[in-house]
Amino acid sequence: LAKTTQPISMDSYEGQEVNITCSHNNIATNDYITWYQQFPSQGPRFIIQGYKTKVTNEVASLFIPADRKSSTLSLPRVSLSDTAVYYCLVGDKGTGFQKLVFGTGTRLLVSP
Amino acid sequence: NAGVTQTPKFQVLKTGQSMTLQCAQDMNHNSMYWYRQDPGMGLRLIYYSASEGTTDKGEVPNGYNVSRLNKREFSLRLESAAPSQTSVYFCANGVGGDTQYFGPGTRLTVL
Repeated sequence: LAKTTQPISMDSYEGQEVNITCSHNNIATNDYITWYQQFPSQGPRFIIQGYKTKVTNEVASLFIPADRKSSTLSLPRVSLSDTAVYYCLVGDKGTGFQKLVFGTGTRLLVSP
Repeated sequence: NAGVTQTPKFQVLKTGQSMTLQCAQDMNHNSMYWYRQDPGMGLRLIYYSASEGTTDKGEVPNGYNVSRLNKREFSLRLESAAPSQTSVYFCANGVGGDTQYFGPGTRLTVL
């Protein structure tokens, strides 16, 4: 599985847009990029997945440049409830089964 | 649908005691996983089961055993608990492997 690198922590204020970048220089052709969110005392929760360009859902947007060596999770107008740890994972969706590798993630703190 | 359920939610053991963590899913997914998460750390895979009847070691399997009893249930057993096994344990399931659904966790303290 491709290794990922993310900032350890980020701070923001309510109402701001937050962008968390993940580096995955060794991403393979068949790899997808997936982001999970983990609130304190809860298990991680899938939030978004993409292969290239841009993906948007009701929670976030995921931007992936053409070389796919990095990706950016964008959270629009964050609120206090977005305080969580965000994990970036890269893996081959096409093989059907794989073991996910969670790094330490990015700890986002949203303040009033 | 409850999704993924885990029992117990909390447990305190003494060194050397044994216990089984239970996990059940109602999502009819083939794959199930056990992770541990130490304070301030990411999740580490202990064991996984790609399908009913199969289990394999993950990154940190020492000191643990698992049983995939049927498609719904995947249990984790600590035969002789050690303080180093103090952690939060998460069970998850998934279709394939890239999207997983996690349970609420079991907080285990070994004294």
